[in-house]
Amino acid sequence: DAKTTQPNSMESNEEEPVHLPCNHSTISGTDYIHWYRQLPSQGPEYVIHGLTSNVNNRMASLAIAEDRKSSTLILHRATLRDAAVYYCILRDGGNFNKFYFGSGTKLNVKP
Amino acid sequence: DTGVSQDPRHKITKRGQNVTFRCDPISEHNRLYWYRQTLGQGPEFLTYFQNEAQLEKSRLLSDRFSAERPKGSFSTLEIQRTEQGDSAMYLCASSLTVGGNTIYFGEGSWLTVV
Repeated sequence: DAKTTQPNSMESNEEEPVHLPCNHSTISGTDYIHWYRQLPSQGPEYVIHGLTSNVNNRMASLAIAEDRKSSTLILHRATLRDAAVYYCILRDGGNFNKFYFGSGTKLNVKP
Repeated sequence: DTGVSQDPRHKITKRGQNVTFRCDPISEHNRLYWYRQTLGQGPEFLTYFQNEAQLEKSRLLSDRFSAERPKGSFSTLEIQRTEQGDSAMYLCASSLTVGGNTIYFGEGSWLTVV
């Protein structure tokens, strides 16, 4: 499975936008880019996913580079409840078997 | 709540004892996954089922671990002769096959082996 690279941690101020980067230089044409987040002592929670085009939902936006070798999760206004570990994951669209998680980015939101 | 349900949420057991975790997936989800997560690490894939068939097992799943999904609905994960290294959170997730691009996770079952 293709690998992703994320910064170990990031910090943001409350009510400011946050851009969480992810590199996936070995992505294949059928890989979907997924983002999940995990709050302390909880299971991972779906945030957003996309294939080629940028995506928006009520939680976040996903910006995908034209060559698809990187992507950015955008939280438009960070709140204290957004403090979590954010995982960028590639999932083979032709074989929806499983996700492989990396270490993720721990986001700290300061009041 | 119609999400993925796991039971028990917490389990403390003595080394050498057997433990069993149960997972009830989202209704009509035919794929079910088990993951393990230790402190500070991302979840690690263990195994997955499509309906009642166990289609893939990770090398992490030693002989002491067994998972079943007898009727294609709920699943159990049993750990025999527990060791301290088994202490972790065990996560269950489910998804659809057709259009099943999103996996939904439960809250996890914490295991502490003393």
